[in-house]
Amino acid sequence: KQEVTQIPAALSVPEGENLVLNCSFTDSAIYNLQWFRQDPGKGLTSLLLIQSSQREQTSGRLNASLDKSSGRSTLYIAASQPGDSATYLCAVRRGETSGSRLTFGEGTQLTVNP
Amino acid sequence: DGGITQSPKYLFRKEGQNVTLSCEQNLNHDAMYWYRQDPGQGLRLIYYSQIVNDFQKGDIAEGYSVSREKKESFPLTVTSAQKNPTAFYLCASSGRGETQYFGPGTRLLVL
Repeated sequence: KQEVTQIPAALSVPEGENLVLNCSFTDSAIYNLQWFRQDPGKGLTSLLLIQSSQREQTSGRLNASLDKSSGRSTLYIAASQPGDSATYLCAVRRGETSGSRLTFGEGTQLTVNP
Repeated sequence: DGGITQSPKYLFRKEGQNVTLSCEQNLNHDAMYWYRQDPGQGLRLIYYSQIVNDFQKGDIAEGYSVSREKKESFPLTVTSAQKNPTAFYLCASSGRGETQYFGPGTRLLVL
């Protein structure tokens, strides 16, 4: 059974700092890995999706890397801003079919202080 | 606008009552999902459906039921058999090989 772990559970940083969020998974047979953002009381917003054949994806100040063989992914946030404060969840997808399920980590709650 | 809608935003359930959460999508996605989220935890899969008139149990299906009579709709019923229903419920949909798109969620509270 796939298990996804995120470290740390919570992180508080001053504005402007670069930071790294970690995600690990136990079964390397994945189709892709996604990072999501969740604001309090809201749904999830997809940030980055990395296919199993890719090493990294970038969007603006966000960069996600994937090392499938070691079961690890990192989300790098450059020049953090107070608006980045949210919970960040990673999820791995097992297969390609439209019904293939995601397994989620418990999330990292990020607070960026002005 | 394309997207996923969930209603209501808040729902109150009395003991012994069944309640139904609505989820509608206009993204033409085949697959739809229901997740439960408890405070400080990740999402756990309740049920999912890959096609109309077909659905499968997820990891925590006991006390829940679903139907998929239309491609656009995937309602979730929380039955009286679910003894701890207080949680945040999220609906999602996806196409083949695509990311899952999430609705805004329904918070269920027990009176």
